[in-house]
Amino acid sequence: GQSLEQPSEVTAVEGAIVQINCTYQTSGFYGLSWYQQHDGGAPTFLSYNALDGLEETGRFSSFLSRSDSYGYLLLQELQMKDSASYFCAVDRDDKIIFGKGTRLHILP
Amino acid sequence: DAGVIQSPRHEVTEMGQEVTLRCKPISGHDYLFWYRQTMMRGLELLIYFNNNVPIDDSGMPEDRFSAKMPNASFSTLKIQPSEPRDSAVYFCASSLLGAKNEKLFFGSGTQLSVL
Repeated sequence: GQSLEQPSEVTAVEGAIVQINCTYQTSGFYGLSWYQQHDGGAPTFLSYNALDGLEETGRFSSFLSRSDSYGYLLLQELQMKDSASYFCAVDRDDKIIFGKGTRLHILP
Repeated sequence: DAGVIQSPRHEVTEMGQEVTLRCKPISGHDYLFWYRQTMMRGLELLIYFNNNVPIDDSGMPEDRFSAKMPNASFSTLKIQPSEPRDSAVYFCASSLLGAKNEKLFFGSGTQLSVL
């Protein structure tokens, strides 16, 4: 089977940096992606890692290490609008499977 | 493009009734996915289609659930009969090439409440 583990909640301060971790137990997947979901909204794509290493998109970066079965999403210069849930997901055989998500709370 | 369009946005029904959720994917997208989201179970993949053909329905919880995609621009997810435990947000998503670095575009979801 496939499983992805994320912390259920993370709290950080506005302007700071926060890292959301994702560990997984699956093999043969193409890559690791991250989605953001605001309350009452739909998930929206943030980033994708097909290869090991760091991918940067503006204030957001994502990292993958296949040897460690581990990835993370790094959010810099946190803004209040970043308060949301963040999901890691793996894609395998055309299926995209999501973790249960991490709720990010941002304090002013 | 208008994005993925789902209807209705909210559905309230009574146990035992039939529920039909609708989805229009982004034009040109070959893959369509149905997900269900609850607090307890997160985002669960129910079924997905490639070029209107159901490829994997292993996530469909029971025979009460069925999904169809009669053409490239329309899909339905039907629950008959509905039960209170089916209450959840149901998302439809589409993508151009399926997985392999293809991002999913989600619709706004249908909030289903079964009383």
